[in-house]
Amino acid sequence: DIQMTQSPSSLSASVGNRVTITCQASQDISNYLNWYQQKPGKAPKLLIYDASNLETGVPSRFSGSGSGTDFSFTISSLQPEDIATYYCQQYDNLPFTFGPGTKVDIK
Amino acid sequence: EVQLVESGGGLVQPGGSLRLSCAASAFTFSSYWMSWVRQAPGKGLEWVANIKQDGSEKYYLDSVRGRFTISRDNTKNSLYLQIISLRAEDTAVYFCAREGASGSAIFDYWGQGTLVTVSS
Repeated sequence: DIQMTQSPSSLSASVGNRVTITCQASQDISNYLNWYQQKPGKAPKLLIYDASNLETGVPSRFSGSGSGTDFSFTISSLQPEDIATYYCQQYDNLPFTFGPGTKVDIK
Repeated sequence: EVQLVESGGGLVQPGGSLRLSCAASAFTFSSYWMSWVRQAPGKGLEWVANIKQDGSEKYYLDSVRGRFTISRDNTKNSLYLQIISLRAEDTAVYFCAREGASGSAIFDYWGQGTLVTVSS
């Protein structure tokens, strides 16, 4: 199985700050990497697909990059409504696997 | 608006069984792969199983194969997950999710989830 790691596991930043989360796959997954946002008690929401494509309707302050084994996710200007846990997910190989999540909070 | 609504969760004793359902609406259900993803309390997301548009292909997480059965009824726009021999570690919120139109596992729509609790 492909293992996904994320760092940091949690972070706290001020409103308006830039936030970056990294995701690493245990083997080359090309660009088969998605990012989701999950707020407490809610279902995950797709933000970025295929490493760098913004899902329709998602604010442009969210972005993703990377390929192969190393990926990053950025919120260019953190907003109060961005408080959530963010997960990366690979779909290069079955079983599809998720990273452990990064909890984002407001400082 | 695309909607996925799960049902069928509840409190079950170890060794028991359960059938989860997911009712889909506002899209052509028969055109999409569908998945089940679970989340144990306070934990991360874990993909469990998926099924092809016509039900001819099914894939499972190794740890659930043989105990979980995914199925679908395209005439009823519904997805199912039959679970037998339930274990404490199966306790989780179970989400159904639609996979992207290209057949890729891009989970673009999710239900609200149904909680399965395995306890005596």
